[in-house]
Amino acid sequence: AAGVIQSPRHLIKEKRETATLKCYPIPRHDTVYWYQQGPGQDPQFLISFYEKMQSDKGSIPDRFSAQQFSDYHSELNMSSLELGDSALYFCASQRGGYTEAFFGQGTRLTVV
Amino acid sequence: RKEVEQDPGPFNVPEGATVAFNCTYSNSASQSFFWYRQDCRKEPKLLMSVYSSGNEDGRFTAQLNRASQYISLLIRDSKLSDSATYLCVGNYGGSQGNLIFGKGTKLSVKP
Repeated sequence: AAGVIQSPRHLIKEKRETATLKCYPIPRHDTVYWYQQGPGQDPQFLISFYEKMQSDKGSIPDRFSAQQFSDYHSELNMSSLELGDSALYFCASQRGGYTEAFFGQGTRLTVV
Repeated sequence: RKEVEQDPGPFNVPEGATVAFNCTYSNSASQSFFWYRQDCRKEPKLLMSVYSSGNEDGRFTAQLNRASQYISLLIRDSKLSDSATYLCVGNYGGSQGNLIFGKGTKLSVKP
């Protein structure tokens, strides 16, 4: 069965650079969530989209932005990267709001 | 945001033991709950969904007590491969979705 696809899997950037993370949800899933997980931490909610509109916003820095496109894939844009942005970034997709969400394998971002 | 709270552990148990985790939630508006399992540096993977009073799948049983606002996960006959962090997740968002994660409970099963 198709799963949530995230790209790239690994990314190394320098401070103050920009990064774009992509998420391709499971077909027919209309909701996408983005999470940031630092070492030894639980996933921190960043932002979510439902039917291409932002549905909720968590602890996403102003330096980050995201959107969901007409084909339901989503991109997380990160600018002016800081060392503290180094983390695993997970995307999850869900069909409607009542069902289970499934996670992609994540993008490991390292800022040096 | 609504809170979902878990005992972080770690729970250190021998193989074959039965172990139970509790998760409490502060807002009764949740439609459903999920237990996810997360291995180190990997994505959370869905373990069980709880839509009504409970669910059972093999060695795993989840129970929901709406009156007391807690969800439990029971693991019977623990295996070494059960060692992981278990995340309790509340679903509050209605049609648009709104997942609230607990901080996770770490389980270590020893030989």
